[in-house]
Amino acid sequence: DQQVKQNSPSLSVQEGRISILNCDYTNSMFDYFLWYKKYPAEGPTFLISISSIKDKNEDGRFTVFLNKSAKHLSLHIVPSQPGDSAVYFCAASAGNTGFQKLVFGTGTRLLVSP
Amino acid sequence: EPEVTQTPSHQVTQMGQEVILRCVPISNHLYFYWYRQILGQKVEFLVSFYNNEISEKSEIFDDQFSVERPDGSNFTLKIRSTKLEDSAMYFCASRKTAGPGQFFGPGTRLTVL
Repeated sequence: DQQVKQNSPSLSVQEGRISILNCDYTNSMFDYFLWYKKYPAEGPTFLISISSIKDKNEDGRFTVFLNKSAKHLSLHIVPSQPGDSAVYFCAASAGNTGFQKLVFGTGTRLLVSP
Repeated sequence: EPEVTQTPSHQVTQMGQEVILRCVPISNHLYFYWYRQILGQKVEFLVSFYNNEISEKSEIFDDQFSVERPDGSNFTLKIRSTKLEDSAMYFCASRKTAGPGQFFGPGTRLTVL
């Protein structure tokens, strides 16, 4: 079951530069997409989300872009900081009534070096 | 800021034993979830719970698993007879009636020997 895919297991970026994390999905029923950040020995922390009726959502240094026709979304972090070093998970859900489970990708480990 | 808490942080058990993992969701949340992450794999949905009943469960959540909200604040996951392949991080999550995402606890690492 590979409904949500993150094809890059890792990404290294220098401090101050842009980090771009990518995610692809296959299920056309997904209509809500989320990014979570995870540090070792902690639970996933919600970062930012986007509804399928939008193509962009911005929150501070974090911007998520959605391309529905390509079934692709990306998370941009600008500027990247060493504290951003973590595993980033893309997740998707179908519907937004509260019941819906999240389907996660395998994660991308981001390393931001000073 | 309110957060989801989980106990214990690490549970070691023998194969065949019962374990209960405990969670205290954020107090005004109404939807509750359990997920697990086997080492090196993705986070997988186990079960969702609302209004004192299961609303959805995955194929992983077989008869060996059960959930309960015994007292209005705790949310528990019980595994009746643990198997080696149950070794994983188990995450509890909760959600308000509205809002973009689910809020996760720090997880319980379950090790089955």
